[in-house]
Amino acid sequence: DGGITQSPKYLFRKEGQNVTLSCEQNLNHDAMYWYRQDPGQGLRLIYYSQIVNDFQKGDIAEGYSVSREKKESFPLTVTSAQKNPTAFYLCASSPWASGPYNEQFFGPGTRLTVL
Amino acid sequence: GQQLNQSPQSMFIQEGEDVSMNCTSSSIFNTWLWYKQEPGEGPVLLIALYKAGELTSNGRLTAQFGITRKDSFLNISASIPSDVGIYFCAGLDSGTYKYIFGTGTRLKVLA
Repeated sequence: DGGITQSPKYLFRKEGQNVTLSCEQNLNHDAMYWYRQDPGQGLRLIYYSQIVNDFQKGDIAEGYSVSREKKESFPLTVTSAQKNPTAFYLCASSPWASGPYNEQFFGPGTRLTVL
Repeated sequence: GQQLNQSPQSMFIQEGEDVSMNCTSSSIFNTWLWYKQEPGEGPVLLIALYKAGELTSNGRLTAQFGITRKDSFLNISASIPSDVGIYFCAGLDSGTYKYIFGTGTRLKVLA
């Protein structure tokens, strides 16, 4: 069953702690993305990666870090430097160089609450 | 970051009515995507458009890729209660390979 998995669905952390959100895809997609969504708001791009071992900052990268050591995995770390980390985090992937169709698919999301 | 202008922002309609929403951009896109998001879930891809003027249907949903490449439209016919959600458009910036999203249309269907 192909798709994007994010874990956990809900995550609680104390202020000042780093936390890593998992994202795995088995769609054989080259590109992966992280977005942040606040209540009643649209999607804001945090980081994206078009190929393994390479990634670019999005519009709101400050306080976040990522790695792309494997094609299927793109974990996001929310660091203590992120001022307002409580949000809904969405991971997505798209074919990019591996196909002519540029559909982007999303995972189910992780809701992070920092206490 | 850049966002697309999506309208209307919200709609309250009666079950059975048709719905229309649109998305406009100041930039040209070669790909337009339409998504539906329900509370607490990730957006689900509804329709993808790849060619100017293209008209594509998915059940009761029909989307069009504007001829100018700067806009796209989504229509829902004969709405039902499960159509409730937030609908997002997205255009692909083929230079940076970033997807630019609309601000969303919140749809509520009254039975």
